[in-house]
Amino acid sequence: GAGVSQSPRYKVAKRGQDVALRCDPISGHVSLFWYQQALGQGPEFLTYFQNEAQLDKSGLPSDRFFAERPEGSVSTLKIQRTQQEDSAVYLCASTPGAHSYEQYFGPGTRLTVT
Amino acid sequence: AQTVTQSQPEMSVQEAETVTLSCTYDTSESNYYLFWYKQPPSRQMILVIRQEAYKQQNATENRFSVNFQKAAKSFSLKISDSQLGDTAMYFCASHGMFGNEKLTFGTGTRLTIIP
Repeated sequence: GAGVSQSPRYKVAKRGQDVALRCDPISGHVSLFWYQQALGQGPEFLTYFQNEAQLDKSGLPSDRFFAERPEGSVSTLKIQRTQQEDSAVYLCASTPGAHSYEQYFGPGTRLTVT
Repeated sequence: AQTVTQSQPEMSVQEAETVTLSCTYDTSESNYYLFWYKQPPSRQMILVIRQEAYKQQNATENRFSVNFQKAAKSFSLKISDSQLGDTAMYFCASHGMFGNEKLTFGTGTRLTIIP
């Protein structure tokens, strides 16, 4: 079956623009995670959904970052008034159950803020 | 809170040789999982191997095995008979259990297999 998909794969934004990054998890997967991976670094946790409920948003770096998953499937990560330090790869991962150990990652969206 | 440390930014090894990647961690969780993920160039991250902290036996998956030393908080990955397709970034990661499954990653080790 299809894996986790993310769109767009690449996004260039001018500083101050708003962006929206989309994640399509594997069908039926309950949990969804967003991570931010800066160049040369490991991914860092941003936020976590179980179905449509956002259970943990402790990793969101500022109130410019907002995530939603209104119907418990597709998720969108929105960044308002982008800054250069937002440049990174944004990874989405999903798991089949609420407490599954293996996370299935998407290919990521590379965001470059100029 | 959890921290994961990988002290080898880059490694290279000849094809068919064995290589060991190091990882240390710290956690306040009593039960947790440890993982090695592989991120090939321009491709998505995939799980290589996992270890439940409550299991004493080291996990193995074909050519991949771990050396889990719980008291020392060490979790190294051994790749035997290395292949060109093993060239990738390798990330050590951990998460807790039962509602605390967000992954904490190390900074990664870039492994190159030399033909």
